Amino acid sequence: QSALTQPASVSGSPGQSITISCTGTSRDIGTYNYVSWYVQHPGKAPKLMIYDVGKRPSGVSSRFSGSKSGNTASLTISGLQADDEATYYCSSYTRTSTYVFGAGTEVTVL
Amino acid sequence: EVQLLESGGGLVQPGGSLRLSCAASGFTFSNYAMNWVRQAPGKGLEWVAAVSGTGGSTYYADSVKGRFTISRDNSMNALYLQVKSLRVEDTATYYCGKVTYHYGSGIDSWGHGTLVSVSS
Repeated sequence: QSALTQPASVSGSPGQSITISCTGTSRDIGTYNYVSWYVQHPGKAPKLMIYDVGKRPSGVSSRFSGSKSGNTASLTISGLQADDEATYYCSSYTRTSTYVFGAGTEVTVL
Repeated sequence: EVQLLESGGGLVQPGGSLRLSCAASGFTFSNYAMNWVRQAPGKGLEWVAAVSGTGGSTYYADSVKGRFTISRDNSMNALYLQVKSLRVEDTATYYCGKVTYHYGSGIDSWGHGTLVSVSS
C-alpha cells in the first residue's frame, strides 16, 4: 500500500489561511469518505483533528476544516496561530481494509 | 476520560520477539476496534494492524503480515501486539489507538507509545 502524497512543508503568516493537500488513489481516498487528519507536535502522540473527511472531534477548533474532491483530500487551517506549527498527517481507509498515512506536512508559522 | 497506556517495548536483537501491551480505560473497550500505529525515529506514521471489537477480525499492513499478531482480551481491557522475526527497520515507537466509532474511521485516542529498538 503506497503512502498518500502530502507536501513536505507549508507555511503562512499569523492570521492567514493555509491548505494542505493529500492525494491518494481510487483504492483509498477516491472510494471512501474515511479521510482523517492528525497533528503531531515534537515528542507527542498524534491528535485527531478531522475524521470522515470533514468532521471535527469535540474540542477541536472550528479553524480546522476538511474536504475531499476525487482522489484528493484537503485540510484548511484558518486564522493561523503560532501553536499550529507542527506536523500534520492525513490518513485514509483503503479497499484492502487497512489504513494508509501520508508522509506528513510540516507547517511553519512565519 | 479515555486512557491508553502501552508497555512492553525494549531493545531486542534482529530475529527476536516482543509482546507489546496496551491497557485501556475510560470507555467500553469491547465496543471499539483498536489499532497499532508505529513511527520510526524522525519518520512519519505507519499503520501496523487493527482488530475488531470482538477480536474476530484482524487486519495487517503488508510490511508486518506473517510476523506480527494483534489480539485483545476484552475481559482485561487489553490490546496486544506480538512481534516476531524483528528487523532493524521495525525500530519505532508503537502507539495503540482507538477508533472514533467504527473501523475505517479515524483514531481518536492515542497512547504515548512504547519504543521498540532492534539492533545487534
